[in-house]
Amino acid sequence: QLQLQESGPGLVKPSETLSLTCSVSGDSISSSDYYWAWIRQPPGKGLEYIGNIYYTGSADSAPSLKSRVTISVDRSKNQFSLKLRSVTGADTAVYFCARRTLGVATNSFDFWGQGTLVTVSS
Amino acid sequence: DIQMTQSPSSLFASVGDRVTITCRASQSVRNYLNWYQQTPGKPPKLLMYAASTLQSGVPSRFSGSGSGTDFTLTISSLQPEDFASYYCQQAYTTPLSFGGGTKVEI
Repeated sequence: QLQLQESGPGLVKPSETLSLTCSVSGDSISSSDYYWAWIRQPPGKGLEYIGNIYYTGSADSAPSLKSRVTISVDRSKNQFSLKLRSVTGADTAVYFCARRTLGVATNSFDFWGQGTLVTVSS
Repeated sequence: DIQMTQSPSSLFASVGDRVTITCRASQSVRNYLNWYQQTPGKPPKLLMYAASTLQSGVPSRFSGSGSGTDFTLTISSLQPEDFASYYCQQAYTTPLSFGGGTKVEI
């Protein structure tokens, strides 16, 4: 059974870099059928797509965050990571990692991690 | 970028009610429209893809329709476990984007 687990600091200071890792178990991150994505949800608000990465290392991100986001993949560890630079309080959110399928349910997020709350505060 | 707008943002309903949620895209997404259900403290769960195809294990009281820019999610007879937030997501083009959500409350 596929499982995704986010990990990283729960508190980040303003202007610093938020770093999260998603560990994938039960499937290979090197599958050609999926992208691996980051999505966030500010407290009490809706979902915001951050970006995703293919096993080849090809990544894209939402235009509003593109200048601050780096998404990378470590195939040897079956993990992918998110770095968000120059954070502010507006970046406080629950951060989810998810699998984006290229199969029948094209471009849907069919498996999600439980999410991790990251608070930006001094 | 494609903007997704849901309405209403919240609604009050009772067990057994028929509930309809709408989602509108700022440009055509053909039938590349997904729906998710989220309960408090949990990640979203994929309910439906391609506008009207139920994900495996989702009860048949959920149905979806629409194409182009206008879509609906209908719950035919609301059950206690259906009180949750619902999100649409366009799957037509990157950057993928979500609607603002609809909270179904008692």
